[in-house]
Amino acid sequence: DIQMTQSPSSLSASVGDKVTITCRASETINIYLDWYQQRPGQAPKLLIYAASALQEGVPARFSGSGSGTDFTLTISSLQPEDVATYYCQQSHRSPLSFGGGTKVEVK
Amino acid sequence: QVQLQESGPGLVKPSETLSLTCRVSGDSISDFYWGWIRQSPGRGLEWIGNTFHRGRTNYNPSLKSRVTMSIDRSRNEVSLKLRSVTAADTAVYYCARDISTDHGVFDPWGQGTLVTVSS
Repeated sequence: DIQMTQSPSSLSASVGDKVTITCRASETINIYLDWYQQRPGQAPKLLIYAASALQEGVPARFSGSGSGTDFTLTISSLQPEDVATYYCQQSHRSPLSFGGGTKVEVK
Repeated sequence: QVQLQESGPGLVKPSETLSLTCRVSGDSISDFYWGWIRQSPGRGLEWIGNTFHRGRTNYNPSLKSRVTMSIDRSRNEVSLKLRSVTAADTAVYYCARDISTDHGVFDPWGQGTLVTVSS
């Protein structure tokens, strides 16, 4: 099975800061990497698919990059509504698998 | 706009079968694969499997021996059955639409339903 490792597990940043979250796959997954946002008490929401494609309706301050085994989610200017836990997920091969999550807080 | 709503018993006894239904509105259930994912504090997000209306399924091998998924096109519903449950199956269960034709890119998700396994 493909293991997904995220770092950091949590972070705190100020409004307007640039935030970067990394995700590493245990083997190459091409660009089959997706990012989800889960706000407190809500279901996950798709932000980015295929490593860098922004899902419709998602603010442009979110971006994704990477290929192979190493991927990054960037929030260019953190907003209060971005407080959430972010998960990466590989969609390259069954069984699909998720990272452990990165909790983002605002200072 | 597609909406998904999970429903089912919130409490299941050990060794029994967990049965959940996901009602899909605003979209044709025949056009997509549909997935089930669960979330628990101990196991994080765990993919259970995907199903398509022509009976095609793709299950997580770790659960495959206990899982059955199906689609009822007349009701626009997706169902999940998980047999022989234990406390480790306690989780919030989500259904979601797979927008990538069984590659596992999920959008949107239902609100989720908490299932507790306890006697």
